[in-house]
Amino acid sequence: QQKVQQSPESLSVPEGGMASLNCTSSDRNFQYFWWYRQHSGEGPKALMSIFSDGDKKEGRFTAHLNKASLHVSLHIRDSQPSDSALYFCAASPPGNKLTFGIGTRVLVRP
Amino acid sequence: EAAVTQSPRNKVAVTGGKVTLSCNQTNNHNNMYWYRQDTGHGLRLIHYSYGAGSTEKGDIPDGYKASRPSQENFSLILELATPSQTSVYFCASGDRALNTGQLYFGEGSKLTVL
Repeated sequence: QQKVQQSPESLSVPEGGMASLNCTSSDRNFQYFWWYRQHSGEGPKALMSIFSDGDKKEGRFTAHLNKASLHVSLHIRDSQPSDSALYFCAASPPGNKLTFGIGTRVLVRP
Repeated sequence: EAAVTQSPRNKVAVTGGKVTLSCNQTNNHNNMYWYRQDTGHGLRLIHYSYGAGSTEKGDIPDGYKASRPSQENFSLILELATPSQTSVYFCASGDRALNTGQLYFGEGSKLTVL
């Protein structure tokens, strides 16, 4: 069973629209949650982290964490074509040993 | 900007052959990792290292060995390559002192085993 599960598998949003991605973990040892983004042909890059309950906003990106339910989400407002990418949710206990989900592919339609 | 470079970027190998994927980082990070990426599986951890001379098994270590001869270099070795090891492999480094999970990835090495 995947310890980090993501939904949906893929998502299509119009330019300027809102994209919402979900992630649930099954391991209560996970304390640190990350969103990574991977453009085609590149390695994944850390997008943002969230370690505490509640919301964290960075520009057009907002992450939300509920530690009780081990659920984390990512919302992208005013989506741009450059946001088209594969988004990974990842989680780790202390020690940097990240476990990744299978990813959500986001396509922003012009 | 943190820098992780991998070589080769593309490799075609024959079944039963030996393959070595190399990774070099200039971040002075203690921790280094090898992941493989496959559709439907995401990124899966093969081996990792906490520093020169150390290697640890990740979640899918079977068929792979790792070597960390120095702080900067971390290699993934396939002694007897099989077609099931056809994949894209990513190396990453992380700062052990931060301990929070931020990793810096290389650009990937695409391996095809015929």
